[in-house]
Amino acid sequence: AQTVTQSQPEMSVQEAETVTLSCTYDTSESDYYLFWYKQPPSRQMILVIRQEAYKQQNATENRFSVNFQKAAKSFSLKISDSQLGDAAMYFCAYKGSSNTGKLIFGQGTTLQVKP
Amino acid sequence: DTEVTQTPKHLVMGMTNKKSLKCEQHMGHRAMYWYKQKAKKPPELMFVYSYEKLSINESVPSRFSPECPNSSLLNLHLHALQPEDSALYLCASSQVGGVRAGELFFGEGSRLTVL
Repeated sequence: AQTVTQSQPEMSVQEAETVTLSCTYDTSESDYYLFWYKQPPSRQMILVIRQEAYKQQNATENRFSVNFQKAAKSFSLKISDSQLGDAAMYFCAYKGSSNTGKLIFGQGTTLQVKP
Repeated sequence: DTEVTQTPKHLVMGMTNKKSLKCEQHMGHRAMYWYKQKAKKPPELMFVYSYEKLSINESVPSRFSPECPNSSLLNLHLHALQPEDSALYLCASSQVGGVRAGELFFGEGSRLTVL
């Protein structure tokens, strides 16, 4: 069975600094996808970034980028130039080869951004 | 503006009541989901509908009854709930197949309290 582990329950970063959130996963599948979702307090969860396992190039979306290490089964999220609006709970998620979005979520990391 | 709309935002019900949660999306997505989320925990998948047919039921108790009347609507009928069922119920939608199936669009949720 696939598992996703986020080992940092809480993180904090100073505004304008860079922070990296860790995620590891376990799977025997060769075809899969990885995601980072953001859930601000009392607001809806939104997709931050995605990575297809077959792509070697790390995904980037503006200030958000990932470090995807397939052999190590690691998928960390880097947030550059942190902003107050980045404060949220971040979930790493795994999707296997099924046609529907049955996601396996990590336990989440709460990110605090200090002004 | 959220593209997945959930009503009601808050619901308080007794253990003998019957109520329903409603979800609507107009993005043309053919997969829809119900998740249950407890505070500071990841979402737990309950049901998945694909092309208006129930494709995944994660062994959810029968006091939760999903319904998908058409491709835009998803309901969750509630009956004889227990206090431990109090949680945030999230609806989501996505395309079917490939990486897009993992790109879930979430509603803001319905916060349910069972007395």
